[in-house]
Amino acid sequence: EAGVTQFPSHSVIEKGQTVTLRCDPISGHDNLYWYRRVMGKEIKFLLHFVKESKQDESGMPNNRFLAERTGGTYSTLKVQPAELEDSGVYFCASSHPSGGSYNEQFFGPGTRLTVL
Amino acid sequence: QQQVKQSPQSLIVQKGGISIINCAYENTAFDYFPWYQQFPGKGPALLIAIRPDVSEKKEGRFTISFNKSAKQFSLHIMDSQPGDSATYFCAASIPGTYKYIFGTGTRLKVLA
Repeated sequence: EAGVTQFPSHSVIEKGQTVTLRCDPISGHDNLYWYRRVMGKEIKFLLHFVKESKQDESGMPNNRFLAERTGGTYSTLKVQPAELEDSGVYFCASSHPSGGSYNEQFFGPGTRLTVL
Repeated sequence: QQQVKQSPQSLIVQKGGISIINCAYENTAFDYFPWYQQFPGKGPALLIAIRPDVSEKKEGRFTISFNKSAKQFSLHIMDSQPGDSATYFCAASIPGTYKYIFGTGTRLKVLA
């Protein structure tokens, strides 16, 4: 079974530019999450999709961040315009539909975003 | 308070020794406490998890000790091996939500 995949693995952009990160969850996982880790700090929750619907977006920093999940499959996270403080590692995770919060969240390898 | 405080930030242990990582929380509504292990270049992977109605859970060389009254939990790695060298994150979740609140991570290095 393929794991969670993320693209790109690294991205270096200038302040003010736009970047789009992509996540492909494990097949059959309705739940998809985005997290971010700023260097040395905690992995912080950004948002949670159930299929194509945003279930919880309480962790999204501001309106420069836009997450979508078309058709309930892959998801994209767009940052526009990027600021220096957006640098960090963005993780995507997915989990099985049943079992609620006790269900294991499977993480992708992350996208390391550097904003110069 | 939706925070989980993790310590130490880094840890060096000799091969065969015991590694201990501690976490503390304030929110008594948390009802699930997973530990994740992350190797360089990889995403975090679930290592072991516990619910607050249990004081200890053991899986192989890995044990979670949970102290509900003190609002603390810890990961013990017995007979630590160089292959255990990784970053470890504790986490907690709130019933009715799916999000995890993570600690800041502990970078463990086990010397051969």
